[in-house]
Amino acid sequence: NAGVTQTPKFQVLKTGQSMTLQCAQDMNHNSMYWYRQDPGMGLRLIYYSASEGTTDKGEVPNGYNVSRLNKREFSLRLESAAPSQTSVYFCASSDSSRGTQYFGPGTRLTVL
Amino acid sequence: AQSVTQLDSQVPVFEEAPVELRCNYSSSVSVYLFWYVQYPNQGLQLLLKYLSGSTLVESINGFEAEFNKSQTSFHLRKPSVHISDTAEYFCAVSNTGMDSSYKLIFGSGTRLLVRP
Repeated sequence: NAGVTQTPKFQVLKTGQSMTLQCAQDMNHNSMYWYRQDPGMGLRLIYYSASEGTTDKGEVPNGYNVSRLNKREFSLRLESAAPSQTSVYFCASSDSSRGTQYFGPGTRLTVL
Repeated sequence: AQSVTQLDSQVPVFEEAPVELRCNYSSSVSVYLFWYVQYPNQGLQLLLKYLSGSTLVESINGFEAEFNKSQTSFHLRKPSVHISDTAEYFCAVSNTGMDSSYKLIFGSGTRLLVRP
């Protein structure tokens, strides 16, 4: 039981490049989330998926897209990376009956 | 709209001393309240949560928090801290979405630094 896994752990991009961050959970949770963490700002919600087949915008969705591939997997795509997207990205999942979110280890992304 | 304020960005304290990390929230609806802890270079882990019932909630490692509806606060306390408690602590609120998701609104975090 690995919980929530994320790949890659680290990534360096040049401005304008694209990439996809992968997230998977093995807890059979319905809901999944993507957050970004910036110094002094806590975590901010980018996108979430309440259940398989649905996705919705969070607080800071601009510049990102998501795909809920199946119940286990939820990916985050940067189509044209910008320096403002330099951050640590966390994926999380939750069981709707308990409310607790379980977080992955994070991806540290630097855009030059 | 909901918001969370953590009043202290950093709290230095000596080992075995008591500590309180403050959290205030604003919301027009009933909320659920959480404290998460983040150790260096790791993801967030749930420390404790308030969903309903008793307003005093405890964690397995000695932390406790009390939900105070009138003061809209959920302060985190520990009577005696250890070096290993050094970490960043995040307060968060959510309410049940119509779609059964639990979107979290986080505070900016408080870095607890325990000194020997």
